[in-house]
Order: sequence, then C-alpha cells, then structure tokens
Amino acid sequence: QQQVKQSPQSLIVQKGGISIINCAYENTAFDYFPWYQQFPGKGPALLIAIRPDVSEKKEGRFTISFNKSAKQFSLHIMDSQPGDSATYFCAASKGDSSYKLIFGSGTRLLVRP
Amino acid sequence: NAGVTQTPKFRILKIGQSMTLQCTQDMNHNYMYWYRQDPGMGLKLIYYSVGAGITDKGEVPNGYNVSRSTTEDFPLRLELAAPSQTSVYFCASSSPEQGSHEQYFGPGTRLTVT
Repeated sequence: QQQVKQSPQSLIVQKGGISIINCAYENTAFDYFPWYQQFPGKGPALLIAIRPDVSEKKEGRFTISFNKSAKQFSLHIMDSQPGDSATYFCAASKGDSSYKLIFGSGTRLLVRP
Repeated sequence: NAGVTQTPKFRILKIGQSMTLQCTQDMNHNYMYWYRQDPGMGLKLIYYSVGAGITDKGEVPNGYNVSRSTTEDFPLRLELAAPSQTSVYFCASSSPEQGSHEQYFGPGTRLTVT
C-alpha cells in the first residue's frame, strides 16, 4: 500500500521526441505527487508536482497527467533535449504531519542528439 | 544561501566501524530527512525530523541513529557499519508549514563499507 511503482526502468529517446514515464500507486491517502530530476553526482531536485484535484499540470516542456480513478500519474517531456538526460523519480506523499515522500524506483532517461 | 550541505562527500569504512554523516541547512527549515539511495531502488527514508528535538523513524531505520539539537543540523550516525549500509546518503529539508512541500536535497555522501 505504501509503494509507488515506476516504469520503465530506462528510456532512450531521440532529440525532439516525447519522453513518457509512468507511475502507479495504491494508497488513496496520497495527496501530493511530485517528480524529481537527478543528474549524476547530484541530489534530486523538484521538477514539477501535482495534487489530485487536477488532471494535468504543465510547466514548460514538462507535463504531469494524473488519473485519480486509475491511481496513475505520468510525466511527459515534450521536445526532449540531450540536457534532459537524467534519472527521474516519481513520488507520493500522504496528507499527514510528516510530509514524508515515498519514491518510485527511478527511470534513467537518455536523449540522443 | 548554501542550501543543504553534507559532509563528507565520500567515505570508506571497515565493517564494525562507526561514523557520523553531517547535514546542515541554512534555509531555516523545520523539516529534515535522511534517505539512502541504492542502485535501481529509488530513495528510502531512514529518519526524519519535524523540528529541533523531534525525530522519528522512516522506512529503513535499523543500524542508524539521528539527533536534532538545532534547526540547522541533522546528523546521521552509523553504528557498527555493515556492507549492507554501502549506499549513497542524501539529506533533505523542507518547510511545509510555509505552504511548500518541496524537499531540497544535499549533494549526497557516498559510503562504502568493506
């Protein structure tokens, strides 16, 4: 119930293509769903986040799509660039006082020039 | 602002040794977290703190201890290091009481236990 399942484990996309990473969860108490981006040798950094009261959120080339009934959410990277090559983690948090994040296992994205 | 800083960057320990991983943040965040990151496994929460003097266990606390005597510092103590503790450790902080759930991560400490 606490898990967040992420797929695929790795993804190779050509420059200009669309990258799509998917996550699924079981716990309906989750109410905050962020995506973090991590470059090699660095800590993760928040990319974009969504709450379950909206079905989509867009920031520049990055979009989160959220399907509450299916308990799934996904990250879409439009016009993927080589600089987007990184590991992406989805996460989820319950609406309790700890604000703990449960992370997915990560997706390593490589964007080829 | 330096954000979240962690020391050391790298460390090699022998089995049974102890060490403290340091974490400091200068953003006046009340919430702080320790994670470990193993290849292909995402980040697992070890311990967290919602303010000075308050700590609680996360998902994988065994073999670790923490303290939070100040808002700025949240050290992680490894007692009797084991090979299973070989990992990359990240400290993070956040300030949800100010309306943001964003966790800010440090650069990590890569620990090898042999």
